[in-house]
Amino acid sequence: GESVGLHLPTLSVQEGDNSIINCAYSNSASDYFIWYKQESGKGPQFIIDIRSNMDKRQGQRVTVLLNKTVKHLSLQIAATQPGDSAVYFCAENNQAGTALIFGKGTTLSVSS
Amino acid sequence: GAVVSQHPSWVICKSGTSVKIECRSLDFQATTMFWYRQFPKQSLMLMATSNEGSKATYEQGVEKDKFLINHASLTLSTLTVTSAHPEDSSFYICSATSGRLGNYGYTFGSGTRLTVV
Repeated sequence: GESVGLHLPTLSVQEGDNSIINCAYSNSASDYFIWYKQESGKGPQFIIDIRSNMDKRQGQRVTVLLNKTVKHLSLQIAATQPGDSAVYFCAENNQAGTALIFGKGTTLSVSS
Repeated sequence: GAVVSQHPSWVICKSGTSVKIECRSLDFQATTMFWYRQFPKQSLMLMATSNEGSKATYEQGVEKDKFLINHASLTLSTLTVTSAHPEDSSFYICSATSGRLGNYGYTFGSGTRLTVV
């Protein structure tokens, strides 16, 4: 079935470090991927997205890398700040291309 | 930017009663709305997809008679949890898009915490 998973459930970093959060996906037909940040008790917040015709996309302090060969997605956060502490989810479109399927989530903890 | 409002933000109800959750797109027309459920320390699980004016498409394992979805207008979708039981306690999140996934924004509401006692 469709599934999107994450390699590590938690990641602890020091303020100022770079963070890398990884995600493995299973649907080779997925052509659209998004990274979300979710703070406790809130809905997911869009961070960055990427289409399958790209392998890298950069935003402000964030970079998403896509490796379709091994079906791997990563989110890089530069100069991580305490405010970046949250759960991060990757999501991909389902086989019908009509909805987003979420991975399990990685909890990022940033200590100052 | 696109805003999706979800109401209520939290609700407590007695076992056996029904609860309605509203999801509104405030500044765009949402042709498609999605409902997710999230248990503590777990991911978001897609429950159903609804298109304005048509019946919702439910994911496998989601009881359509228990989770009633109505998408009567381009700005409003409702999820009614009927005959709620404690195991239905969860965080329910809606999202909306104005077009084909990936070509248009995909905005989430702030979620509704349902507690059934």
